Amino acid sequence: AQSVTQPDIHITVSEGASLELRCNYSYGATPYLFWYVQSPGQGLQLLLKYFSGDTLVQGIKGFEAEFKRSQSSFNLRKPSVHWSDAAEYFCAVGAGNTGFQKLVFGTGTRLLVSP
Amino acid sequence: GAVVSQHPSRVICKSGTSVKIECRSLDFQATTMFWYRQFPKQSLMLMATSNEGSKATYEQGVEKDKFLINHASLTLSTLTVTSAHPEDSSFYICSALSTGRTEAFFGQGTRLTVV
Repeated sequence: AQSVTQPDIHITVSEGASLELRCNYSYGATPYLFWYVQSPGQGLQLLLKYFSGDTLVQGIKGFEAEFKRSQSSFNLRKPSVHWSDAAEYFCAVGAGNTGFQKLVFGTGTRLLVSP
Repeated sequence: GAVVSQHPSRVICKSGTSVKIECRSLDFQATTMFWYRQFPKQSLMLMATSNEGSKATYEQGVEKDKFLINHASLTLSTLTVTSAHPEDSSFYICSALSTGRTEAFFGQGTRLTVV
C-alpha cells in the first residue's frame, strides 16, 4: 500500500534562513508526488507536483522540490523563508489509477518562523 | 486556478442531529469529488470518492450509512453526517477533479463541532 512519511512534526526556522522539509514515500510504481500548504483553519493549496521529467520541480511562493527515486524522497526546499510561510505542510502521493486522484497524505510538518 | 467552495465553514450541531456540508466547483465541472477528514494535528484521511451520477466509494472503516455522499451534478457534492455524535467532530475537506486535469482542487474545509 502507498504511504508517505514526514519525519519532522515541527520545524522552526529563522526568517531569511533556508528550509528543507523531508518527505519519503512508498509506492510500487512511478509516483505522482505533491506538496500542499495549509494555513490554520483553511483548505489546502498546492505548492508543486511531480509527475515525470525533470526531477527538480519549481512551485509557487519560491518553493522547489527534488524527486530522488533512489532515496524514495521528495523533499521541499526554499532558499529564504518569510514569516508568512508559517503553516502546515503536507506531502502526498497520488494513488489512483491515473496517479493524481486519490491522495495519500503524510502526517504533516508544522513550520514555525522565528524573527 | 479553479475554485472550489465549501459551505459552511463552521457548524455546531447537537448530538443526534444531521449536518449537511456542500462542496461546489465554481468554474469547472467536477467529474470526481473526494471527501477527507482531518483530526486535530493529524493528516487528512480520505473518506470517500464520488463520481457524478454514481454511488460513492467509501474507504475501509468509513460508515456509508453515517456519512452520506451525494454527487448529483457536475458542480455539487454533499456530505451529510447523520445522527452526529461528539466523536464526529472534525475538519472535513472536499476536493474536486475535472476530466483532463491533473490536479484536484480543495475547498476551504468545514469545522464540525458536535455538542
